[in-house]
Amino acid sequence: GQQLNQSPQSMFIQEGEDVSMNCTSSSIFNTWLWYKQDPGEGPVLLIALYKAGELTSNGRLTAQFGITRKDSFLNISASIPSDVGIYFCAGQFKDSGTYKYIFGTGTRLKVLA
Amino acid sequence: NAGVMQNPRHLVRRRGQEARLRCSPMKGHSHVYWYRQLPEEGLKFMVYLQKENIIDESGMPKERFSAEFPKEGPSILRIQQVVRGDSAAYFCASSPGRDETQYFGPGTRLLVL
Repeated sequence: GQQLNQSPQSMFIQEGEDVSMNCTSSSIFNTWLWYKQDPGEGPVLLIALYKAGELTSNGRLTAQFGITRKDSFLNISASIPSDVGIYFCAGQFKDSGTYKYIFGTGTRLKVLA
Repeated sequence: NAGVMQNPRHLVRRRGQEARLRCSPMKGHSHVYWYRQLPEEGLKFMVYLQKENIIDESGMPKERFSAEFPKEGPSILRIQQVVRGDSAAYFCASSPGRDETQYFGPGTRLLVL
């Protein structure tokens, strides 16, 4: 079955540092998405990527859809305390005529002021 | 434009009782998806519905779980005879079309005593 490997699992960083996390798979996806989840809340969409090689920014966030369509990374520049949370990647694929999402296990980010 | 609404946000049930979780999609969205999240894990797909139809229920447990999305009113995820292992956060997402980006609600946190 489809599997996503997300790394790192968790990271502590100092405020102002840049952050990088990635997701890899042995399967091909036609869309990659990055979500952030705050404690007690649902995932909020950060960036959606639709084409291999696509590089997209949203403020201090930048994400890329890997050329092989099997991986994606998310960078956060100049981190601030409110960046704390869990970041999930999700890949969309077509299975038996329906489109499905599979989620990574999350990267837990803690920012030290 | 209101986002995806879920209620209740928290639900406590004793073993053997029934749990009913409700999801109202975003305005204009007719596709609804249910996911389950265990602590420290990513979201796992359960079921995909479009108005009055179950499109894909490949992630649903075969027994005790059912879902519906009637012509009028919210989508309902129903868990009969709950067991402790059903304790989790249940998230609903909606999209305007079958292969379009999914937007998540805040979740219902079910605790089975």
